[in-house]
Amino acid sequence: DAGVTQSPTHLIKTRGQQVTLRCSPKSGHDTVSWYQQALGQGPQFIFQYYEEEERQRGNFPDRFSGHQFPNYSSELNVNALLLGDSALYLCASSFGRVNEKLFFGSGTQLSVL
Amino acid sequence: QKEVEQDPGPLSVPEGAIVSLNCTYSNSAFQYFMWYRQYSRKGPELLMYTYSSGNKEDGRFTAQVDKSSKYISLFIRDSQPSDSATYLCAMSANRNYQLIWGAGTKLIIKP
Repeated sequence: DAGVTQSPTHLIKTRGQQVTLRCSPKSGHDTVSWYQQALGQGPQFIFQYYEEEERQRGNFPDRFSGHQFPNYSSELNVNALLLGDSALYLCASSFGRVNEKLFFGSGTQLSVL
Repeated sequence: QKEVEQDPGPLSVPEGAIVSLNCTYSNSAFQYFMWYRQYSRKGPELLMYTYSSGNKEDGRFTAQVDKSSKYISLFIRDSQPSDSATYLCAMSANRNYQLIWGAGTKLIIKP
């Protein structure tokens, strides 16, 4: 049983560029949440997707957008990258929008130069 | 002031010791409390989940919640070098609400 898979594992971009990160949830899960984790900090909630709609959103600007596909996989898009967007981006999956037992992928390490 | 406070450590203890990790919080509405373990360059992994106050035990791990003091703890008995990781607390007011996370405590178990 595959867990949560994320791609790519590492990414280097320059300021102003756009990036797309991808996530496949754990088998049987229908909800995907995205988190940003800066070095030495806890994860910060970006948004949650369920039934192909954004259901909750954290305190992140509109430069951060997402999508969920019919097979429950998800993408995170970040436009107009800033140096401060450098972080580990984590995808977590669960069932039925419940957040009490999240399964995380290994993340995508994004570096913005 | 952050909603959830957690000492970043590092906390270094000898193998076999009992480890105590703690978080304090300010939002009295929090009812769901979790502890996650995160190894370097990996995503967090759920260790313990507790609803409301009380204790929960799972193998070498015990989670305690004291809602009156807004304080939660994770105890690790017979600590092993493989327990060396960052431990993150997380909590929410509702099963469907976003989790609020502590910054994590780095734990080092010395052989």
